[in-house]
Parts: sequence; structure tokens; C-alpha cells
Amino acid sequence: GEDVEQSLFLSVREGDSSVINCTYTDSSSTYLYWYKQEPGAGLQLLTYIFSNMDMKQDQRLTVLLNKKDKHLSLRIADTQTGDSAIYFCAGSSGNTGKLIFGQGTTLQVKP
Amino acid sequence: GAVVSQHPSWVICKSGTSVKIECRSLDFQATTMFWYRQFPKQSLMLMATSNEGSKATYEQGVEKDKFLINHASLTLSTLTVTSAHPEDSSFYICSARRTGTSAHNEQFFGPGTRLTVL
Repeated sequence: GEDVEQSLFLSVREGDSSVINCTYTDSSSTYLYWYKQEPGAGLQLLTYIFSNMDMKQDQRLTVLLNKKDKHLSLRIADTQTGDSAIYFCAGSSGNTGKLIFGQGTTLQVKP
Repeated sequence: GAVVSQHPSWVICKSGTSVKIECRSLDFQATTMFWYRQFPKQSLMLMATSNEGSKATYEQGVEKDKFLINHASLTLSTLTVTSAHPEDSSFYICSARRTGTSAHNEQFFGPGTRLTVL
């Protein structure tokens, strides 16, 4: 099955760019996702990328996918204090619709 | 659109009692809903897949008799934690997949239910 791994913590200064990395094992994942979780809340879908794409940009968010290395990254430009949260990458498992989540990366944005 | 609610948002119960958590899709129909649990500072672990009108599919290691799932309508799934014990204390999150959803298989997440068993 799918296994997804992320670094656990990232600290940046307000206005800098943040890059959160993720690796996955199942190359058959059709879509890969980035979710944001604020304290005590559910998950908010930030963006997703289809497995045949290399890059997707959506306002301040840029997703890069390296299929050969099974590496996914999320870049947040001009990071704001409101971006402080836990970020999860997730891959889909087969045709079941199930999502397999990484451990989550805590992003701390310092003023 | 695509809002998912959970009720209650938090619950405290005594050991040995049962607790029911509801997950509702407010403005769409969901043939499939998923139940996750999340321990502090950890990831979401899928517990089961709930399909409307049929039995839930449980992940390996999840006791189906302890975590009863009912998906009786296209907008409601319930998770009942039976004979709860302190080790069942966790954050339970549901998600719903819209019926006839697009290929990218988006799941919409509820806000979660914090269960504390004393």
C-alpha cells in the first residue's frame, strides 16, 4: 500500500517562502493532495496535482511533482502568520478513494 | 458548497459508556464517507469507509464491534464508540465524497469531534 512521509517541522519568517516536502511510495496514486489543518479543526484542501503533471500553481501556492523520485513539494510564497498550521500531503490508494496521509508538517511563521 | 458537519464537536464520557458521533453532508449527497482518528501531533489514520446502504469496510486492526458505523442516508453517517475506554480518547474526523464526484476524488472534511473518556 501507499506510504507517505514528511518532515515534521518548518520555521520561516513572515514574507519568506516556505517549502514543505513529501515522499510517497505508490507510483499508481492518480492524484496527490495538500491539506491544511489549523488547531482543533478539520482539514482544508489547499490544492491537488494530477500524477501526469510536473507543476501546478495556484496564487501563492506552487506544487512540484517529481514522479521519478516520488517527491512532492508545496511552496508557499510570501508566507504570512495566518499560514501557521499543520500541512498534510496525501496520496490516493488504488480505486477505493481512500487517502493515505503523511505525518504532517508543522509550519511556524515568525513575525 | 460542500460543507460537512460533525456533532458533537466535543464530548466527555465515563468509561464503559457508548458515544455516537454524527457526520452530515449539508449541501450534497455522499455515497461514501470516511472515518479517521487523529492522536495529538500525529497524522490521520483511516478507520473505515462507510458506504450508504451497505456495511462499512474497516481497516486492518480496527474493531468493527467497537466502532459501529451506520450510513443510512446519503447525507448522514454515524460512528458509535461502544464501551468507551480512556485509550479511545482521540480526535475523530469524518470526510465525505460527493456522489458522482469528479475524477480527482475530492473528500470534504468535517471539523472533527474531540472525545475524552474518563
